[in-house]
Amino acid sequence: EAGVAQSPRYKIIEKRQSVAFWCNPISGHATLYWYQQILGQGPKLLIQFQNNGVVDDSQLPKDRFSAERLKGVDSTLKIQPAKLEDSAVYLCASSLDREGEAFFGQGTRLTVV
Amino acid sequence: AQKVTQAQTEISVVEKEDVTLDCVYETRDTTYYLFWYKQPPSGELVFLIRRNSFDEQNEISGRYSWNFQKSTSSFNFTITASQVVDSAVYFCALITGTASKLTFGTGTRLQVTL
Repeated sequence: EAGVAQSPRYKIIEKRQSVAFWCNPISGHATLYWYQQILGQGPKLLIQFQNNGVVDDSQLPKDRFSAERLKGVDSTLKIQPAKLEDSAVYLCASSLDREGEAFFGQGTRLTVV
Repeated sequence: AQKVTQAQTEISVVEKEDVTLDCVYETRDTTYYLFWYKQPPSGELVFLIRRNSFDEQNEISGRYSWNFQKSTSSFNFTITASQVVDSAVYFCALITGTASKLTFGTGTRLQVTL
C-alpha cells in the first residue's frame, strides 16, 4: 500500500515570496491533516479536512496560509507571503477516519531566508 | 481543551538498559484515543500504537510496552533492552471525542549509546 506522498521535499524561498506544498494521502483515507513542525518542537496542527470539508483550522494563520482539498483526495497548502518564522517542516498525514491512527508523509522542509 | 505533556525533554541511556517515556494527558471527554509516534533522524513520524479510553489493558509488542492508567491520566511507554536504533524523538498524542483533532506533546528525545 502506498504511503502519504508529499512534494517537494525541500524548498528555499526569500521572505515575502509565495510557496505551495502538495499532498496525496493514502487511498480511501477520509481525514487529512497539515502540521507545522518547527525544529525541536512537536507538530502543530494547521488544518484538518474530513473529505473535502474543513474540520479544524483554528491555528492556521489565515492572513497568509491557505489550504484546499479538492474532490476530497489531494491537498495543497499555500503560504503567501512567507515570513522568516515560517521556516519549518510541513507534514501531511491521513487517516481512515477522525479517530484512527494518522500516517505521515516525509514532510517538506521549508527555509525562508 | 485537550493537552499532552511530556515532561522529559531528553533521555540518554546505554544500550540494553530499559527506559520509560512518560506521557500525561488532559481532557474532560470520556471517549478519547491515545497514540505514540516515533520520529527517527530521517524525520518521518512512524505510528507505534493507538489505545482507546475504554481499554486500560497494558500492551506489549516485542521490546515495547505501554502502561495506560486513567487514574493518573498517564500513558507511559517502556522500551526494554534498548538498542541504538531506538534513538529518536518519541511523541505522545491525543484525540478526544469532542475535538477530533490529533494533538501532540512536545516530544522526548531518546539517545541510546553503545
